[in-house]
Amino acid sequence: KNQVEQSPQSLIILEGKNCTLQCNYTVSPFSNLRWYKQDTGRGPVSLTIMTFSENTKSNGRYTATLDADTKQSSLHITASQLSDSASYICVVSLTNAGKSTFGDGTTLTVKP
Amino acid sequence: EAGVAQSPRYKIIEKRQSVAFWCNPISGHATLYWYQQILGQGPKLLIQFQNNGVVDDSQLPKDRFSAERLKGVDSTLKIQPAKLEDSAVYLCASSLEFYNSPLHFGNGTRLTVT
Repeated sequence: KNQVEQSPQSLIILEGKNCTLQCNYTVSPFSNLRWYKQDTGRGPVSLTIMTFSENTKSNGRYTATLDADTKQSSLHITASQLSDSASYICVVSLTNAGKSTFGDGTTLTVKP
Repeated sequence: EAGVAQSPRYKIIEKRQSVAFWCNPISGHATLYWYQQILGQGPKLLIQFQNNGVVDDSQLPKDRFSAERLKGVDSTLKIQPAKLEDSAVYLCASSLEFYNSPLHFGNGTRLTVT
């Protein structure tokens, strides 16, 4: 069964600190991996998309990495801000099927 | 560009009642998705349309859920009759292409079944 596992389930950090969120997947054959940010009461918003051949992708203070050999991805947030408080969801898509598997997300809380 | 529009924003119904949700995707987006998101979990795909044809409805509980996308634009998702376990946020998303395009989500409809 294709699965996407995210860790930690929740994380609390102080404003200005960095953090890294993890995503392990068993989805195969792999097409792309996406990270989404979901604020409370809102729909998810795309942060990054990485295909099989990409190792890293940045979007401002967000940097995603991908190791297709170990089937692991991470999302690194630099100099966190209060507005980074949200759920971060990892999504892995199958090749040629358009089907995506969502992780259950990591809930990040940034405190002043 | 205007985002994905969904309505209503909130809905409270009693079990065994029916309910309908509406979605207007981003203009030009051929692919439309309905997801169910239970609190603390990631979205789960219910149905995927390509234009007005169904691509994947394998996870849709067809005995109570139905969806349509007339003219390949707007879509409605209906639940009849509702059960307590249907309490969730129903998200609509659209994408420009079938593969490798980001999903653009609406803000969802929060359904509470009492």
